[in-house]
Amino acid sequence: KAGVTQTPRYLIKTRGQQVTLSCSPISGHRSVSWYQQTPGQGLQFLFEYFSETQRNKGNFPGRFSGRQFSNSRSEMNVSTLELGDSALYLCASSISTGGYTEAFFGQGTRLTVV
Amino acid sequence: KQEVTQIPAALSVPEGENLVLNCSFTDSAIYNLQWFRQDPGKGLTSLLLIQSSQREQTSGRLNASLDKSSGRSTLYIAASQPGDSATYLCAVPLTGANSKLTFGKGITLSVRP
Repeated sequence: KAGVTQTPRYLIKTRGQQVTLSCSPISGHRSVSWYQQTPGQGLQFLFEYFSETQRNKGNFPGRFSGRQFSNSRSEMNVSTLELGDSALYLCASSISTGGYTEAFFGQGTRLTVV
Repeated sequence: KQEVTQIPAALSVPEGENLVLNCSFTDSAIYNLQWFRQDPGKGLTSLLLIQSSQREQTSGRLNASLDKSSGRSTLYIAASQPGDSATYLCAVPLTGANSKLTFGKGITLSVRP
């Protein structure tokens, strides 16, 4: 069974540009969550999509947006990039069974804003 | 609001030592707790998941315990090896059917040969 696939693995962008990251979840998983990881802040929740609907949203500005397609693949978009957006972006594919939730993560996309 | 704490932030031990990593959470009404491992610059690898009704889970040299009443979980690593060097994170979901995870900041473990 294939794991969670994130593309691209590395990105370098210039301030003011926009970027789109992609995440393909494990087959059968309908929930996809996005997290930002920085050395200072640790792992911060961005948003979660379930069956194409945003179910949870973290405390990030509107420059951060996402969507989920009918095949459960998800994209995350960041517009008007700032230096502080440099981070490792992690996608999690989750399944809820019998009253508990298990998450599996991709390898992440390392975004550097210069 | 759930808060997850992992102390200390870093730990260095000699190879072969048995060790315990701690994880504390403020809201004891959790559905499950998951332990992850992260190597530098990489994603998170799931190590163990403990459901709220369970007290322990084991996988190889790893054993995780859960005490909901005291708001604590521990990850026990037996006979540590240099390959165990990584950051270990614990996380709890918002609910049993909701995937939003609250993470601790992690414990960076270094096992010296």
